[in-house]
Amino acid sequence: DTEVTQTPKHLVMGMTNKKSLKCEQHMGHRAMYWYKQKAKKPPELMFVYSYEKLSINESVPSRFSPECPNSSLLNLHLHALQPEDSALYLCASRGPLLNTEAFFGQGTRLTVV
Amino acid sequence: DAKTTQPPSMDCAEGRAANLPCNHSTISGNEYVYWYRQIHSQGPQYIIHGLKNNETNEMASLIITEDRKSSTLILPHATLRDTAVYYCIVRVVNFGNEKLTFGTGTRLTIIP
Repeated sequence: DTEVTQTPKHLVMGMTNKKSLKCEQHMGHRAMYWYKQKAKKPPELMFVYSYEKLSINESVPSRFSPECPNSSLLNLHLHALQPEDSALYLCASRGPLLNTEAFFGQGTRLTVV
Repeated sequence: DAKTTQPPSMDCAEGRAANLPCNHSTISGNEYVYWYRQIHSQGPQYIIHGLKNNETNEMASLIITEDRKSSTLILPHATLRDTAVYYCIVRVVNFGNEKLTFGTGTRLTIIP
């Protein structure tokens, strides 16, 4: 199983809503990532978790709150988002061996109205 | 992580080899070269990676110059399904503290 599964695939939320994005992998990977991708732009790193601990936060606004409850699961909690936060949110994971590749999920397409 | 420079777009005829260049002149000795591609609105897909030697797998070949300041991804027999944005990334392998930073990539269009 070399899959990273993201749910939901699409999400529409209002600016006052609270929602969560979910990412799951069963490859035993211990590094997990959240990226944000705007249309026609490359993915931008948001957060990195290593062994369930947050290791990198790329100065992401606090309305985005990551959580890694166990080694297989990564969540991104969303609260009070703005329309400009509408984007494709991608999750990735990587194994611990040297020079292994990262696997990406298919993303959640988020629209903030 | 070292910065990469790629042409913004390229065309290639179907069935021909597609050669995608990448400059990474500031690469350090412990940085690997990775290639990913992203087909419209899907998650990036790993293609190949290397450190010094040329590499080949079932998808592509990676040619790295001797000074490691540039590399070329070769898709040997391009098909329409290879139309995508191709990203060249260089990164230090520092597990759990690496950024895997994407550059602007090359939009490859395969022409029938």
